[in-house]
Amino acid sequence: EVQLVESGGGLVKPGGSLRLSCAASGFTFSSYNMNWVRQAPGKGLEWVSSISSSTSYIYYADSVKGRFTVSRDNAKNSLYLQMNSLRAEDTAVYYCARDNIWDYWGQGTLVTVSS
Amino acid sequence: QSVLTQPPSASGTPGQRVTISCSGSSSNIGSNAVNWYQQLPGTAPKLLIYSNNQRPSGVPDRFSGSRSGTSASLAISGLQSEDEADYYCAAWDDSLSGRVFGGGTKVTVL
Repeated sequence: EVQLVESGGGLVKPGGSLRLSCAASGFTFSSYNMNWVRQAPGKGLEWVSSISSSTSYIYYADSVKGRFTVSRDNAKNSLYLQMNSLRAEDTAVYYCARDNIWDYWGQGTLVTVSS
Repeated sequence: QSVLTQPPSASGTPGQRVTISCSGSSSNIGSNAVNWYQQLPGTAPKLLIYSNNQRPSGVPDRFSGSRSGTSASLAISGLQSEDEADYYCAAWDDSLSGRVFGGGTKVTVL
């Protein structure tokens, strides 16, 4: 069974940093592109970042470019999102999703940026 | 302001057919596949339709998708109470080099 489990969310002050993790199981993680998608409270979905299976291709939304860094460790079946210079508008539930069609999603982890 | 445009709401009675539109441009829907996601209240999104009109296994055939030019649509036939959810369209955008979403459509079963 495919499972994606996010962790690392929490309360952080503006300007602070946080590192999210997504633990994958039930499939060959190294064969799939992976993604981060977020959803602000009461709002719609927003794509954040994508990383190809071998890390050859990495993409970011303009809203996070230069502040967020996506990475993966295929040996540990894990996806990461390093978030720096956090702003109030980064407050959201962050989901990891598999493949280019986002066929499986984790349950999400809440990031709250507030003083 | 979302790159893809969806109506904020749609509704129907049980058994009716409901259609949700998703309007884009030549750089996204016009040249890339459209996927649709269903988000039930308080849960993570779920893939409903991929590659414009393909259903993943387990998705009822009441759900169907289509694409024409720079627009796409999702149809729900035989509407059921459990279909009350938010629905999002998404596609890759060549100009932005990123994924873009519609703002979401809340479907209410009357």
